[in-house]
Amino acid sequence: NAGVTQTPKFRILKIGQSMTLQCTQDMNHNYMYWYRQDPGMGLKLIYYSVGAGITDKGEVPNGYNVSRSTTEDFPLRLELAAPSQTSVYFCASSAVRPRGEQFFGPGTRLTVL
Amino acid sequence: RKEVEQDPGPFNVPEGATVAFNCTYSNSASQSFFWYRQDCRKEPKLLMSVYSSGNEDGRFTAQLNRASQYISLLIRDSKLSDSATYLCVVTAGGTSYGKLTFGQGTILTVHP
Repeated sequence: NAGVTQTPKFRILKIGQSMTLQCTQDMNHNYMYWYRQDPGMGLKLIYYSVGAGITDKGEVPNGYNVSRSTTEDFPLRLELAAPSQTSVYFCASSAVRPRGEQFFGPGTRLTVL
Repeated sequence: RKEVEQDPGPFNVPEGATVAFNCTYSNSASQSFFWYRQDCRKEPKLLMSVYSSGNEDGRFTAQLNRASQYISLLIRDSKLSDSATYLCVVTAGGTSYGKLTFGQGTILTVHP
């Protein structure tokens, strides 16, 4: 199993551009999450999903959108990129009734200039 | 007050030392508690869950005090490979099952 995979690994955007961060998991997990991590800070939840077709906002959803059409995929869309969105983005997944363990992807480092 | 608060450190200790990290959380309805480890420029990985009775995994011991809303992690006989950031993590109570709240992390450097 590959676990949680994310693409791209790195990306530089100009202000106002848009992009989609891809996330795929092959563990048949129902729960999926998107976090951002700013330097020296903890992870902040952007959006999460409890199953295909169901998504909900986390702590910092502004400027982002998500969709969950399949169990495996949970893409994160950035519209009109801003310098404040420069961060490392982690996707994670967990089982339906987790003991809490979330499995993280390797992250996407995004810079907005 | 932050939902999950940790001493950011950094902690610099020699090999073989014992080091303890503390964490407090503000939501008394929190249900599950964990320590994650994050190596430099890598993703977080689960180190251990924290149970009310306390639990041990090799050189690592985790304790939970629900009355004081306090979690601790003790590392004995530190190794160079223990150098990392340690994240205190708490799940929300109520209907937010599965959503994790992370502390900002405690940086540990173990030197020869």
